[in-house]
Amino acid sequence: ETGVTQSPTHLIKTRGQQVTLRCSSQSGHNTVSWYQQALGQGPQFIFQYYREEENGRGNFPPRFSGLQFPNYSSELNVNALELDDSALYLCASSLAGLKSGEQYFGPGTRLTVT
Amino acid sequence: QKEVEQNSGPLSVPEGAIASLNCTYSDRGSQSFFWYRQYSGKSPELIMSIYSNGDKEDGRFTAQLNKASQYVSLLIRDSQPSDSATYLCAVTGGGSYIPTFGRGTSLIVHP
Repeated sequence: ETGVTQSPTHLIKTRGQQVTLRCSSQSGHNTVSWYQQALGQGPQFIFQYYREEENGRGNFPPRFSGLQFPNYSSELNVNALELDDSALYLCASSLAGLKSGEQYFGPGTRLTVT
Repeated sequence: QKEVEQNSGPLSVPEGAIASLNCTYSDRGSQSFFWYRQYSGKSPELIMSIYSNGDKEDGRFTAQLNKASQYVSLLIRDSQPSDSATYLCAVTGGGSYIPTFGRGTSLIVHP
């Protein structure tokens, strides 16, 4: 069984730039969720994808967008980066429905915006 | 807006003691409850899930759910220094299967 992987592990960007983060889900999982975690805070839900469709979205502006591919891997895109976007970005895969709270997280991407 | 509340801590317990971590939630329609452990600099790891009132035991961990009082707790028996981490409570339900996370409780187990 392959676990959740994310790339890159670390990234430094300048304010105003764009970034793409990538995630491969755990084998057998069809749902991918993205979270932003600031230091000392719990993960904040960005959005979830199920079968290539956005299945829910948290309180994040439209410059945060995503995709899910037929193999259930996913991308998170952030445009017009702001300093406050500096955080750990977590991808989690799960099954759909009642079991979707049982999330399996990747190692995360640490994004620093300067 | 669903809210999940945890005391940020730190909660400090001696090695071998029982650590008790608590979580309250605002949405009475919540159905599923989860505990995650997050070591410093790492990503969260699912350690327990509980779906019905009462206790659920898994090794040294016991999750307790009381829906009437809207709280869920995690007990760690025979605490070890390796249990030192932040413990995140997450809740789903009330019309959504997307989990809402608390901010976590930092646990320190000292030798």
